[in-house]
Amino acid sequence: EDKVVQSPLSLVVHEGDTVTLNCSYEVTNFRSLLWYKQEKKAPTFLFMLTSSGIEKKSGRLSSILDKKELSSILNITATQTGDSAIYLCAAYPVGGATNKLIFGTGTLLAVQP
Amino acid sequence: NAGVTQTPKFQVLKTGQSMTLQCAQDMNHEYMSWYRQDPGMGLRLIHYSVGAGITDQGEVPNGYNVSRSTTEDFPLRLLSAAPSQTSVYFCASRTGAFANTGELFFGEGSRLTVL
Repeated sequence: EDKVVQSPLSLVVHEGDTVTLNCSYEVTNFRSLLWYKQEKKAPTFLFMLTSSGIEKKSGRLSSILDKKELSSILNITATQTGDSAIYLCAAYPVGGATNKLIFGTGTLLAVQP
Repeated sequence: NAGVTQTPKFQVLKTGQSMTLQCAQDMNHEYMSWYRQDPGMGLRLIHYSVGAGITDQGEVPNGYNVSRSTTEDFPLRLLSAAPSQTSVYFCASRTGAFANTGELFFGEGSRLTVL
């Protein structure tokens, strides 16, 4: 059964800290991995990763995929209280299950002032 | 830019009642889907559609019906609500019916409580 596992489940840090969130996947014929940030309402898109070893960056956030280890990390440097959210990782398979984007349970990040 | 619009945002039902969650998108997306989000379970796919007139089941379809009569609309029907259907429901869409890349655009969610 295809699955995506995220760790840790929750994390509390102080402003200015750097955090690393983990995502591992077991997906038949893996195609791509996505990261989302969810505050109070809808998940908002952060990154899509398809190639191993190529870092994607947006401001203080960055992410990289490791196809050998079937995993991805999301790094947030110099955290701010506005980074507090649930971070979701999701994977696309290829083939018959193409349309079933598989989500992990998320990591709840709390950034304290 | 409306994007994906869901209504209602909140609803309380009694066991056995039926209701419809509405979803509309104005981005001309081929693909639309419904997820439910429960604590500790993440987002789970209920039903999806790759175009008008075409729907298919996701991971947790029991107790829900969908239809897709237009590109824009994808309503989710609860036939006889049960307390196990208490959840937050998200509608999401993307371009490309059979793409395995590309972000999903989410609505703001509908919080449903079944008593």
